Parts: sequence; structure tokens; C-alpha cells
Amino acid sequence: EVRLLESGGGLVQPGGSLRVSCEASGFTFRNFVMTWVRQVPGKGLEWISGISGSGETTYYADSVKGRFTFSRDNSKNILFLQMNSLRVEDTAIYYCAKDSDPYGLSWGQGIMVTVSS
Amino acid sequence: SYELTQPPSVSVSPGQTATITCSGDKLGDKYVCWYQQRPGHSPVLVIYQDNKRPSGIPERFSGSNSGNTATLIISGTQAMDEADYYCQTWDSNTVVFGGGTKLTVL
Repeated sequence: EVRLLESGGGLVQPGGSLRVSCEASGFTFRNFVMTWVRQVPGKGLEWISGISGSGETTYYADSVKGRFTFSRDNSKNILFLQMNSLRVEDTAIYYCAKDSDPYGLSWGQGIMVTVSS
Repeated sequence: SYELTQPPSVSVSPGQTATITCSGDKLGDKYVCWYQQRPGHSPVLVIYQDNKRPSGIPERFSGSNSGNTATLIISGTQAMDEADYYCQTWDSNTVVFGGGTKLTVL
């Protein structure tokens, strides 16, 4: 069974930084593209970043490009999303997900990040 | 960038058929997934590869995809199906979501 567990969320001031993590289990981690998707409470889903199985290639939505960095440690089955220069509009629930194109995404439980002064 | 369009809301009576559409340019050339999200919960995959159901998803959920439109069909809709539904595809190394449809069972 795929299990994804996010951690590291919380409250941060505008302009600040935060790193969220996602521990994965139940599948061969290094074989899969992984993604981060966020959701402003009450709003829709927004894909923000993807990373190849090796970690060598990353992709970002324009809304976070240059501010967020997605990385992975395949020896520990863990993902990291480093978020810098945070803005109020980055306030959202952040989900990590296993991308099994074309078989769909498997989701973590999500973690709340609040950017506010 | 690629865009998917869904109606914001759909209403259905219990026991009737609910139809939720998702439109995008030449969407029929891509694979589409559908997710159900209940309040306070993570999305759950209900359809993948246009029309396949993951294990544990009731048979009343089905899907199709042709031309510019993918469709999620819920037959014999139950009160427990009331939720937000999102279509999703892949394009140019990105994951693309529709804006979501709130299904109300009344």
C-alpha cells in the first residue's frame, strides 16, 4: 500500500522560508516521478512541481518557479520542498503525490502552510 | 499552458445519473483521470486511463474520453457521492487539473 506522510508545515511570515517533507513507503520510490500539489482551502487543486525518479530533473509551475526547490533522497525515500520568499498567496494545503502516469496520482494526507504576519 | 474546463457545479437526485464534463484541446488524445474529494480529505482516484476503475471504487463510476471532452458518469448516484470532482491529465511534463465540480445530491 502506498503511504505518503507530509511534515514540516506551519505558520511563516511573508518573505520567510519553510521546508516541508514527505516520507514515502509501500512502493519502489526511486522508480517514480513525484509531485507536489497545493490547494487553497475551499479552492481547486494546483500542481506546483514534479521531480524525476533519479531527482536529476525538476519541473515547476510559474507561480513558484525561482522560489521553490523540489528535491528527493532516494536512499531514505523522502521528498523535500524548500519554499523561499513566501507570499500570502502561498497559503494552502500542500500534498505530495506519487505520479503513476497514466494510472493516476496517489496522495498524502496533506499539510497546511500558512503565510501571514 | 494546457487548460481543462469543468462546470463549477452539478446537481442530481438520488438514484439518478450524474454527468460531469471536462474539456480541453484534443483531450481525447490524452489520458484522463478523475478524483473525488470530500471536505477535509485528500483526493481519491476514481477513474484512470479515461475509463478504468481502481480496486474498491464502485461500478457506478464510469468514464469516457473523446474529441475535446472527457466525461465522468455516476449511475444510481448516492448521497455519499456528494463531493468535489476533479479531472486531470498530463501535458509537457506537468500535471494539469480541471477547476473542479461540486456535485450536490438533493
